[in-house]
Amino acid sequence: DSGVTQTPKHLITATGQRVTLRCSPRSGDLSVYWYQQSLDQGLQFLIQYYNGEERAKGNILERFSAQQFPDLHSELNLSSLELGDSALYFCASSPPPAGGWGELFFGEGSRLTVL
Amino acid sequence: KNQVEQSPQSLIILEGKNCTLQCNYTVSPFSNLRWYKQDTGRGPVSLTIMTFSENTKSNGRYTATLDADTKQSSLHITASQLSDSASYICVVVTGNQFYFGTGTSLTVIP
Repeated sequence: DSGVTQTPKHLITATGQRVTLRCSPRSGDLSVYWYQQSLDQGLQFLIQYYNGEERAKGNILERFSAQQFPDLHSELNLSSLELGDSALYFCASSPPPAGGWGELFFGEGSRLTVL
Repeated sequence: KNQVEQSPQSLIILEGKNCTLQCNYTVSPFSNLRWYKQDTGRGPVSLTIMTFSENTKSNGRYTATLDADTKQSSLHITASQLSDSASYICVVVTGNQFYFGTGTSLTVIP
């Protein structure tokens, strides 16, 4: 158990709909990262937050948005869903300071299926 | 362009045998290199983190090597077990950016 909690574990929805994925980082970790992993694909970086502020942005679509709340949990909002958005969405957290030296702890992922 | 390439894409070995996975990268400047193990449908778990000055690091039956001059790393698995069946992902870090390889899928058969 990494200490990173993601909900829901599975989600099935229809095209055009909107969903929200939630992530609670490990206690004490200030950084939250979101990744998308499509079938048989590598992990694609979406966005990073550090202590409530957006820190880095990857290949995140305009239909997607995220935020990190004062209690440090984060939500990833996916709207106008398309079939191609079906994927595993992982959240990872990292202890301070922000930057590339901290260990990344991954949650178990949220599997999104768009029908 | 910063890239991380892994080979082979997939590998099948007999239980008890050794294997070596490769990672070549073009990421610059280099901060550190990590190897992760990802079981099917699960989140990746860290195996090793190596900095520029480290050329070998072990974690049990896993040994990672790094040649920062040629920008190559390898992950050697000794005396494989069925539980080693997973995807192994090489990640190269520069600054605050993490660059992920697409992974090597390892299957260990009895």
